[in-house]
Amino acid sequence: DAKTTQPPSMDCAEGRAANLPCNHSTISGNEYVYWYRQIHSQGPQYIIHGLKNNETNEMASLIITEDRKSSTLILPHATLRDTAVYYCIVRVAGTGRRALTFGSGTRLQVQP
Amino acid sequence: EAGVTQFPSHSVIEKGQTVTLRCDPISGHDNLYWYRRVMGKEIKFLLHFVKESKQDESGMPNNRFLAERTGGTYSTLKVQPAELEDSGVYFCASSLQGRSGNTIYFGEGSWLTVV
Repeated sequence: DAKTTQPPSMDCAEGRAANLPCNHSTISGNEYVYWYRQIHSQGPQYIIHGLKNNETNEMASLIITEDRKSSTLILPHATLRDTAVYYCIVRVAGTGRRALTFGSGTRLQVQP
Repeated sequence: EAGVTQFPSHSVIEKGQTVTLRCDPISGHDNLYWYRRVMGKEIKFLLHFVKESKQDESGMPNNRFLAERTGGTYSTLKVQPAELEDSGVYFCASSLQGRSGNTIYFGEGSWLTVV
C-alpha cells in the first residue's frame, strides 16, 4: 500500500472548517484513500473513503486531487469533540484481504 | 446493529500470567483483524482472519501470542506468558468480504497492563 504523509499537528478554532491535508504521491490506480480518527484512546473511527471522486457524508468531505497524489479531509464546522488524531490511509480495495496500515497521523486540536 | 465488541475492556495481570482477549465482530463480517498500540507507538497490525483461516499473521510479535477464530465467528487472542512490553491496548476490527472499498470497523479495545 502507498505511503502517506501528514502534518504532525494542526489547530482549528471551534465552529470553523478544519482542513487536514494528506500526500500520497505513490498511490496506485486501485488504491482507495481512507480517513480514520482516534479520539483519545478509543478505537479508531471510520470517517470517509474515496477512490477518485470527491465524497461527502454526515461527518466530513473528502477532496481528492485530479492526479490523486494528495487529498484533504474537511470537517465543515469543527467542534471540541473533533479533537483527535486523524489518519490518512491508502489501501488496495478488493476482497478485504488487506489490513489498514496506520502512520502517525495528524493531531487536530480544536480550540474554543 | 451491534458494533465490534471486545472483552475485557481492561485487564491487569502479573508478568508470566496468561490473558485471553475476546472479540465479537459485526455479524456477517468474514474479515477479522487484530491490532495493538503500545505506549507512545503507532497502531500496529497483528493479524487478519478470513472466516476461520489466518490470512496474514505477519504482525504477530512472537510465539507467545496465539489467535484463534474457531467457527469463523468470534476470535480470541491469548498472550502466554505475558511480558511487561505486552502492555497496551489491543483493538479488534472487522469488515465484509466485499468487492471494493469495504470499510473496516473497530472495537473500543482491550487495555492490557502487565505488572
